[in-house]
Amino acid sequence: QQPVQSPQAVILREGEDAVINCSSSKALYSVHWYRQKHGEAPVFLMILLKGGEQKGHEKISASFNEKKQQSSLYLTASQLSYSGTYFCGTGANFGNEKLTFGTGTRLTIIP
Amino acid sequence: DVKVTQSSRYLVKRTGEKVFLECVQDMDHENMFWYRQDPGLGLRLIYFSYDVKMKEKGDIPEGYSVSREKKERFSLILESASTNQTSMYLCASSRYGYTFGSGTRLTVV
Repeated sequence: QQPVQSPQAVILREGEDAVINCSSSKALYSVHWYRQKHGEAPVFLMILLKGGEQKGHEKISASFNEKKQQSSLYLTASQLSYSGTYFCGTGANFGNEKLTFGTGTRLTIIP
Repeated sequence: DVKVTQSSRYLVKRTGEKVFLECVQDMDHENMFWYRQDPGLGLRLIYFSYDVKMKEKGDIPEGYSVSREKKERFSLILESASTNQTSMYLCASSRYGYTFGSGTRLTVV
C-alpha cells in the first residue's frame, strides 16, 4: 500500500516555509525523499533510517518518527528552484532498498 | 558523474508487439529497479533485481518480465504491449538512495 502524502499541492511565495508529510500504514525501516522537476527524472534528496534521525540538505531537512510511521520534509525560506513534485519512498527492509512511493506533492514557488 | 542510461526517450509501439526497454548503470550497483509513473498514481514498482540473474516481482508485474544477464544492465520486457501500458517508465539503481534514468515515455497504439 502506498504511503499517503499531504498536502497534494501547495503554492508558496519565495521565502515562505513548507512542510510535506508522508504517512505509512506499515512499519518502516527507511524513508527517502525525492524531487522531480517537470520533464525530468526524480532526484534523490535524502534518506532517513530507523532511529528517528533528522537530516539536512541545504535549507531542506526531514524527520522520521518510526513509531507513528511518518516522515516530514521541511523546506525553509523557499527558493524558486524548490518548485517541483516531491515524493517520499518508504522501505520496509534493511538492505534491498525496495521502495513504495507516495503519489507526490506538487510545490509551486512564486516570486 | 554517475549515470543510469535508458536506451530510448520516446517510443511508440503497436498493440501486441513485444517491447524491450533497456537500462544500463555505470555505478556497479547490485540493486536495480523498474517503475512506471502515471499522473495521480506516483511511481509504482514493476520488478527489481538484487543481483545478476536474480529478479523479484514488484507491485504491478502483470504483463511484464525482466532480464538481468549482466550486473550493469536491467531490461524490462512487455510481452504483448497493450494500450494500458502507455506510461513513463523509469529505471533506477541504488546503493544508498536511488539514481534514476531519464525515463522512457512509451505510447502503445
